Amino acid sequence: KNQVEQSPQSLIILEGKNCTLQCNYTVSPFSNLRWYKQDTGRGPVSLTIMTFSENTKSNGRYTATLDADTKQSSLHITASQLSDSASYICVVRNAGNNRKLIWGLGTSLAVNP
Amino acid sequence: GAVVSQHPSWVICKSGTSVKIECRSLDFQATTMFWYRQFPKQSLMLMATSNEGSKATYEQGVEKDKFLINHASLTLSTLTVTSAHPEDSSFYICSATDPLYNEQFFGPGTRLTVL
Repeated sequence: KNQVEQSPQSLIILEGKNCTLQCNYTVSPFSNLRWYKQDTGRGPVSLTIMTFSENTKSNGRYTATLDADTKQSSLHITASQLSDSASYICVVRNAGNNRKLIWGLGTSLAVNP
Repeated sequence: GAVVSQHPSWVICKSGTSVKIECRSLDFQATTMFWYRQFPKQSLMLMATSNEGSKATYEQGVEKDKFLINHASLTLSTLTVTSAHPEDSSFYICSATDPLYNEQFFGPGTRLTVL
């Protein structure tokens, strides 16, 4: 069954600290993996999109990694800011006929002053 | 990146009434738009895929007669929740595929509350 699991479910850190969010998936065949940031009451905003051959991709203070062999991805946030408080969602696109997006439940991050 | 808007951003209605939500791609033409629903503390759930000029494709378990989708132009898709009930209260999000980037961009969402 195609699934995307994220950990931790929620996380609280102090402003300025770094953190790493995890994503494990069982989606096959694999097309690409995305990380989205969703602020409360808003639509998701794309942070990174990674294909099979990409191991690392950065977008400002966000760095995503992908290990296609172990089917794991991580999102590292450096020097966190209060505005980073949001839900971070890992999404994997299935490369099969339907090319569906398989959504994780997200990690809720709270950055406290 | 491309911009997708939704209107209204929130709506409160009485049970039994119908509500229309608009999704617009502001600076690109979208041949395909998607409608999602998100309940509290849950992830987005795809409801239907809307292609311009043709009937929408609904996901299993989504009632096509209850959630009417119209994609009459390359920049506008509408979702009408007919005879809304309290259990339809949710956060509805649309997305549109920008062919230039071959990527989905999401709208800001519409919060529907049915009393």
